[in-house]
Amino acid sequence: EPEVTQTPSHQVTQMGQEVILRCVPISNHLYFYWYRQILGQKVEFLVSFYNNEISEKSEIFDDQFSVERPDGSNFTLKIRSTKLEDSAMYFCASSATSGNPHEQFFGPGTRLTVL
Amino acid sequence: GNSVTQMEGPVTLSEEAFLTINCTYTATGYPSLFWYVQYPGEGLQLLLKATKADDKGSNKGFEATYRKETTSFHLEKGSVQVSDSAVYFCALFKAAGNKLTFGGGTRVLVKP
Repeated sequence: EPEVTQTPSHQVTQMGQEVILRCVPISNHLYFYWYRQILGQKVEFLVSFYNNEISEKSEIFDDQFSVERPDGSNFTLKIRSTKLEDSAMYFCASSATSGNPHEQFFGPGTRLTVL
Repeated sequence: GNSVTQMEGPVTLSEEAFLTINCTYTATGYPSLFWYVQYPGEGLQLLLKATKADDKGSNKGFEATYRKETTSFHLEKGSVQVSDSAVYFCALFKAAGNKLTFGGGTRVLVKP
């Protein structure tokens, strides 16, 4: 069964450093997403991406964040200058179509720890 | 804006007990509704979904019915197993916005 994969599973970085989180969505999917979950809190939407551009972003997704689909398979989330409060589990998701019904498939997540 | 509220946990049950997790939502129009499950150390897995009023989603013995009149999507299972121990998230999707909005999650612990 096709699945979304994410690397690395755990990333530790120093405050102020840049990190890139990588995702390989399901191959025939067209919509891509990033969500995050701060420990013990709810899953929060960050950004959605379609046709090589951002289609929706949340207030959390400020200028420190960017997304890219550098090739036909990867989807990346870059945080330019990490802060302590960026420590969270980051989930990538993909879906085949928008509109109802809409089913997003999630990867296993990357745990980001900012020291 | 859209929001999802679900009962706080943890919910601790004995094996074979009946499980209910309440979920209510606020949204305009007709969102699609989902339950996701997160097992320890893993990502989010879709458990079941419903796309219109009175639809019943079901999977692995879990059920939830989309109730437009009460804006609810409560999750139920008649006889839980230890392997059902996980965090359960209720979520809604609206095409305008193209994103899932999650509830806070409910941790369920099933003891043998």
